[in-house]
Order: sequence, then C-alpha cells, then structure tokens
Amino acid sequence: GNSVTQMEGPVTLSEEAFLTINCTYTATGYPSLFWYVQYPGEGLQLLLKATKADDKGSNKGFEATYRKETTSFHLEKGSVQVSDSAVYFCAPTLSGGYNKLIFGAGTRLAVHP
Amino acid sequence: GAGVSQTPSNKVTEKGKYVELRCDPISGHTALYWYRQSLGQGPEFLIYFQGTGAADDSGLPNDRFFAVRPEGSVSTLKIQRTERGDSAVYLCASSLEGTETDTQYFGPGTRLTVL
Repeated sequence: GNSVTQMEGPVTLSEEAFLTINCTYTATGYPSLFWYVQYPGEGLQLLLKATKADDKGSNKGFEATYRKETTSFHLEKGSVQVSDSAVYFCAPTLSGGYNKLIFGAGTRLAVHP
Repeated sequence: GAGVSQTPSNKVTEKGKYVELRCDPISGHTALYWYRQSLGQGPEFLIYFQGTGAADDSGLPNDRFFAVRPEGSVSTLKIQRTERGDSAVYLCASSLEGTETDTQYFGPGTRLTVL
C-alpha cells in the first residue's frame, strides 16, 4: 500500500539558514501531495500542496515540487525564521478517488536566533 | 468563518469506560475524517464519511471503535471498554467534497487519557 518516508528530526538551524526536509512516498497511481505544519500548542494546518506532477506548491516562503520520477516532495525554504519552529508532516493521499491522507512521522524543526 | 471544532478538548477516563468524542465540521463540508495521533507520531487515519455514510472505516482498530454522522454534519466517535492503549489525540478534519485534491481542515483535537 501507499507509504511515506520523511526525514528524521529534530532539525536544528540558525535563523536565515536554508531548510530542506526530505519526503519520499510509494503510491499506486498519482496521489495529491500535502505538507502540513503543527506549531507549538496549535492544531494541524495546511502549509502547501501539489496535485499533479511537476506542480510546485508554495506558501510563507516554503516550496515543494511534485517529482513523479523520484516520487518525492521535498520541502524547502531559503531563509528560516524562529517563528518557523514547528513539526512538519508530509502527507500523500492514498489513491482511490478520495482524500485519505497517509502521514509521515513528522520532522521537528527548531530555529535559533 | 468558523473552523472545525472538537469537544471536549481533554478527556480523562478509566480503563473499561465508554467515551464519546464530538466533531463539528466546517459548514457545507460534505467530507469528514477522523484520525488518531499518538505521541511523537503522525496522524493515523481511522474513518472517512461522505455525507451521512461511512465510506471507509478501514482504519478503525477494532470493534470497540464506532463513529456516526447521522445528519451529515456533526460526527461522534465512540469508544467502548477503553484501554490504556487508546490514549492519544483524536483529530477530526473536514473537506468540501472529499476529492483527492481537496484540502482537509483539522480541528484542535481531543486529548484522550485512559488511566
């Protein structure tokens, strides 16, 4: 069945550093791909998504590109801020015509001033 | 507008008791999902409703877990004979139509602790 492998955390960076969080998945068909973020003390919220091959999702300076050939959806940001400290989840859908998300284990990011 | 709401925010119960967790989705959203998130893990799918019917309940761990959505809006997750292993945060999400490209909007969760 579908599965997702996410870069293990925690990831610790200094402010303004470049961020990459790797995400690869296995899937039948062509799933939609999502990144969700969970800030301390808050609920899960959508960060960005891409619904077909070569699409690039972007939001709040974060980007991720749907790479069908490598089944990857790596999250990147050019210059992180302390306020980006959170847990990030990669989540492809389980193909089947509806939106059943399969979440990775999450990657905790800590950004220091 | 209002987001997804869940009640209670915290529930502490004793092993063997029955609990109900409530989810109020975003108005007009036909799709509703329940997930369970254990400490340090990503959410794990439990059940998906399209309207009033459970379209996929393959994630429910056993027959102690049951969920309903009688009028196609509010949903209740019911757990019978709770066990310590049921302790987790139970998340509810809704989306407009439930298609594969839809965004799911999550509630704040109910933290269930079984003593």
